Amino acid sequence: QAVLTQPSSLSASPGASASLTCTLRSGINVGTYRIYWYQQKPGSPPQYLLRYKSDSDKQQGSGVPSRFSGSKDASANAGILLISGLQSEDEADYYCMIWHSSAYVFGTGTKVTVL
Amino acid sequence: QVQLVESGGGLVKPGGSLRLSCAASGFTFSDYYMSWIRQAPGKGLEWVSYISSSGSTIYYADSVKGRFTISRDNAKNSLYLQMNSLRAEDTAVYYCARAPLPGYELDYWGQGTLVTVSS
Repeated sequence: QAVLTQPSSLSASPGASASLTCTLRSGINVGTYRIYWYQQKPGSPPQYLLRYKSDSDKQQGSGVPSRFSGSKDASANAGILLISGLQSEDEADYYCMIWHSSAYVFGTGTKVTVL
Repeated sequence: QVQLVESGGGLVKPGGSLRLSCAASGFTFSDYYMSWIRQAPGKGLEWVSYISSSGSTIYYADSVKGRFTISRDNAKNSLYLQMNSLRAEDTAVYYCARAPLPGYELDYWGQGTLVTVSS
């Protein structure tokens, strides 16, 4: 079982909101981790979007629009990236990441399609 | 502006070696914690190795432990990855990235360099 599991794909219409989940493996408590989110477009390196641990420990990446936000669902043991007001340029792959046992661990990635 | 520029990639035979470099500019390199991350064609991201700002602390992914060696030269603003005993599964684009604190966000990434391991 992967440490971080993400849905493989998600489709939504322009202007809609998209909620991307990053589920931590059982036994790894989401509450203790900072969750980092990245956006990657074809042929480009990943771009850092934001960090979320709690409302008092969060950070938006430099130049990242506020319509990208992070949260957690403790009941699902998951981190969440919310994209509000989807735009065509948001079509990309999205990865979550944590620092776990002296290693960076990436999620499996979600491909977001804007229909 | 922050720049990370990887070099040294190329085609190498299985069992061969390659040394990647990452040239940093636009920030105080010696203040930052650096990592190598790779991405196989059409696949997701895989962290490879981490080195602290001073070089005193190093970590590796299990998949490369014993074969790859990370190092840095703060006087030259450069990060390196020595890759030995290369395998076909090491074929990937290799990125270097920086973090402001241990285990924190990898906030800037280079454009990557492609390593292809094939006979």
